[in-house]
Amino acid sequence: EDQVTQSPEALRLQEGESSSLNCSYTVSGLRGLFWYRQDPGKGPEFLFTLYSAGEEKEKERLKATLTKKESFLHITAPKPEDSATYLCAVNTGANSKLTFGKGITLSVRP
Amino acid sequence: NAGVTQTPKFQVLKTGQSMTLQCAQDMNHNSMYWYRQDPGMGLRLIYYSASEGTTDKGEVPNGYNVSRLNKREFSLRLESAAPSQTSVYFCASSDRGQVDTQYFGPGTRLTVL
Repeated sequence: EDQVTQSPEALRLQEGESSSLNCSYTVSGLRGLFWYRQDPGKGPEFLFTLYSAGEEKEKERLKATLTKKESFLHITAPKPEDSATYLCAVNTGANSKLTFGKGITLSVRP
Repeated sequence: NAGVTQTPKFQVLKTGQSMTLQCAQDMNHNSMYWYRQDPGMGLRLIYYSASEGTTDKGEVPNGYNVSRLNKREFSLRLESAAPSQTSVYFCASSDRGQVDTQYFGPGTRLTVL
């Protein structure tokens, strides 16, 4: 059974304190790994898609990387507006379904 | 370009009542999805429609029905609501199936008393 585990469950950072969020997965044949940001009371907002090990993508203070077993979302010099829940999801294609992790709640203090 | 829209935003039902959640997308996407999100759990797929005219069960389909009305619209119906269906419901769409990026609507917060 496909599994996606995100860690830590919650992370509190000081503004400017860089860190990484982890998404580890156990799947049979990864076809895509997706990162989303979700603000309270809103729908998930797409951030990145990664398809193969070694791939990296960047957007402003965020950088997503992918290995054969996990993905990291690196946050460089975060600001309070980066506070949100970050969701990771994988698609294996075996049953054409997207499996989501439980999310990581990030809080950035000014 | 509104993306994915959902109505209503909030709804309170009594046990046994029925209702339909509406979803529409203006991105000309082929595939549409319904998820539920509960505290402490990841998003779970209820039903999806890979293309107009087709629907398939997801992980948690019991108690729900869907209709792909046309390429733009995908509705979710609760025939006899139960307290266990209290949740936040999200609709999403993608261009080429589940290997493609899914774009989500703002959600419907449903409470069943």
